[in-house]
Amino acid sequence: SQQGEEDPQALSIQEGENATMNCSYKTSINNLQWYRQNSGRGLVHLILIRSNEREKHSGRLRVTLDTSKKSSSLLITASRAADTASYFCATDAGAGGTSYGKLTFGQGTILTVHP
Amino acid sequence: KAGVTQTPRYLIKTRGQQVTLSCSPISGHRSVSWYQQTPGQGLQFLFEYFSETQRNKGNFPGRFSGRQFSNSRSEMNVSTLELGDSALYLCASKESAGGGETQYFGPGTRLLVL
Repeated sequence: SQQGEEDPQALSIQEGENATMNCSYKTSINNLQWYRQNSGRGLVHLILIRSNEREKHSGRLRVTLDTSKKSSSLLITASRAADTASYFCATDAGAGGTSYGKLTFGQGTILTVHP
Repeated sequence: KAGVTQTPRYLIKTRGQQVTLSCSPISGHRSVSWYQQTPGQGLQFLFEYFSETQRNKGNFPGRFSGRQFSNSRSEMNVSTLELGDSALYLCASKESAGGGETQYFGPGTRLLVL
């Protein structure tokens, strides 16, 4: 079963608008990672946020993490048509700071950016 | 550095056959994980190998197996294929067992079972 739930399942916006996707999870985590996937291809890593971090930025991406609510959000600012893809959050819930390689994924958000 | 590579990229098999998929991690990475992606179940963890040892396993039947070689390359094998094994199989690598590291994914092998 999936640990994470993502919201919304689908998001349709115009170029230049911001896109926000949310992710909730169930257990304590080492880190949370966001990935992008285009048309059933491989996953492209976007950003990793550790459990002791609250916010992280990378270019047009901003990720927040609230461990008390077990939730994260991904904000893409000034979206472009090329951002059209599926976005997944994934949690690494190893113990004591050690990862055993297992990422648990949400169901993903399908983002469509119209030119 | 070169990224994670997977071979073959596409594969068609028939029910009852077996298949072996290969994954070459990023140079220097010792952890390799495998995932299955289907429209119905999403992305699910199969197993992880670290320094040739399987450290973690997902909830899949014993028909799914894997191994890792001394150069960190990994293979997964599916025996007695079923129609439901049709999926995109992804492998991912990371450098060590630390809890703060990114997993980098390969392009995947798309398996179709007829």
